[in-house]
Amino acid sequence: AQSVTQLDSHVSVSEGTPVLLRCNYSSSYSPSLFWYVQHPNKGLQLLLKYTSAATLVKGINGFEAEFKKSETSFHLTKPSAHMSDAAEYFCVVSDQRIQGAQKLVFGQGTRLTINP
Amino acid sequence: NAGVMQNPRHLVRRRGQEARLRCSPMKGHSHVYWYRQLPEEGLKFMVYLQKENIIDESGMPKERFSAEFPKEGPSILRIQQVVRGDSAAYFCASSTGLAVTYEQYFGPGTRLTVT
Repeated sequence: AQSVTQLDSHVSVSEGTPVLLRCNYSSSYSPSLFWYVQHPNKGLQLLLKYTSAATLVKGINGFEAEFKKSETSFHLTKPSAHMSDAAEYFCVVSDQRIQGAQKLVFGQGTRLTINP
Repeated sequence: NAGVMQNPRHLVRRRGQEARLRCSPMKGHSHVYWYRQLPEEGLKFMVYLQKENIIDESGMPKERFSAEFPKEGPSILRIQQVVRGDSAAYFCASSTGLAVTYEQYFGPGTRLTVT
């Protein structure tokens, strides 16, 4: 079965400094991986996705993630944090047991706090 | 192009009542997924439906929970005889269901509170 582990439940950075949110995955085959962001009391928004193309994936709002098969990691980064980045971030792997559709498996989430 | 719509956004039910959560997928999407988010946790898959068919309900509790996606109208997640442990945010997502299109688009969620 697929699974993801987000290594930090809470990350706090200062505005303008880099962001690193860590994620390791477990998969028996080449996975599809995603990062979603959830702002308070809002739905989820897709930041970026990896689907076996380029290993460095660029997403919205300046975020990017690198797929490293040897390390089974898919860490999310951003060079310079903005106050609006404060939110909950979920690393997600797709379970391809269902032909033609994806059942998503979510990590526990990392709460990102931005200090002024 | 309207996104995934869910209503109500907030729902309060007393123990023993029924809760009905509705989800209208994005235009052109025929595949609907329901996820549940318990407090301080990530989302957990519940059920995957196509029009008039339940494809995978492996994440649904065995009792009291049911889902449907009729030919016309929204998908419905129904919880009978709610208990306090059902308090959670319930998210619906939709996709085109095509293998080359992996992205699921999420609705804003329904926050169920059982008193």
